[in-house]
Amino acid sequence: SQTIHQWPATLVQPVGSPLSLECTVEGTSNPNLYWYRQAAGRGLQLLFYSVGIGQISSEVPQNLSASRPQDRQFILSSKKLLLSDSGFYLCASPSLAGANVLTFGAGSRLTVL
Amino acid sequence: DQQVKQNSPSLSVQEGRISILNCDYTNSMFDYFLWYKKYPAEGPTFLISISSIKDKNEDGRFTVFLNKSAKHLSLHIVPSQPGDSAVYFCAASGGTYKYIFGTGTRLKVLA
Repeated sequence: SQTIHQWPATLVQPVGSPLSLECTVEGTSNPNLYWYRQAAGRGLQLLFYSVGIGQISSEVPQNLSASRPQDRQFILSSKKLLLSDSGFYLCASPSLAGANVLTFGAGSRLTVL
Repeated sequence: DQQVKQNSPSLSVQEGRISILNCDYTNSMFDYFLWYKKYPAEGPTFLISISSIKDKNEDGRFTVFLNKSAKHLSLHIVPSQPGDSAVYFCAASGGTYKYIFGTGTRLKVLA
């Protein structure tokens, strides 16, 4: 079965510091991968998606970037965090049970102080 | 531009009664719709979905209704249970790899 791992689970960072959140997927190959953010009162916002290694589509202009160095690895980064980057970051991939259903990881909680 | 909208941020329902969560969308290219349930500090879990070729899909206590002409879908939970208390997101996809989510509705089922 497919499993999505995210780490770290929780992160507290000062403004201006860098960020790296990692997502890895087990049990499937060449998956589409997605980064979403849940910010207070904002729902689930699609940040990036990737259909293959090195292929990244950005959905909103922001202080973040994404990379896909390996087939089952998706990384969310920032060079300098802003207060507004705080939120709950979720990695997702289409479920093996149904390509139209997204399966999510457990998420990474980022607090920028 | 919010393509998927959930206009009710919260809803309270008595245990055993029906919960109705609503969702509206603007993009006529959407052809697949999903509902997710989310507890705090966890990833969303898939509940039920519906294709645009149908107007109803049922799975146990959960039923999703789709009104394409109104660009509206709803999730019915009958009977509601305290364990159903969570944030519910609707999502839509169609024509692309993207899944667009609404802002969520917090459901509280009162015992």
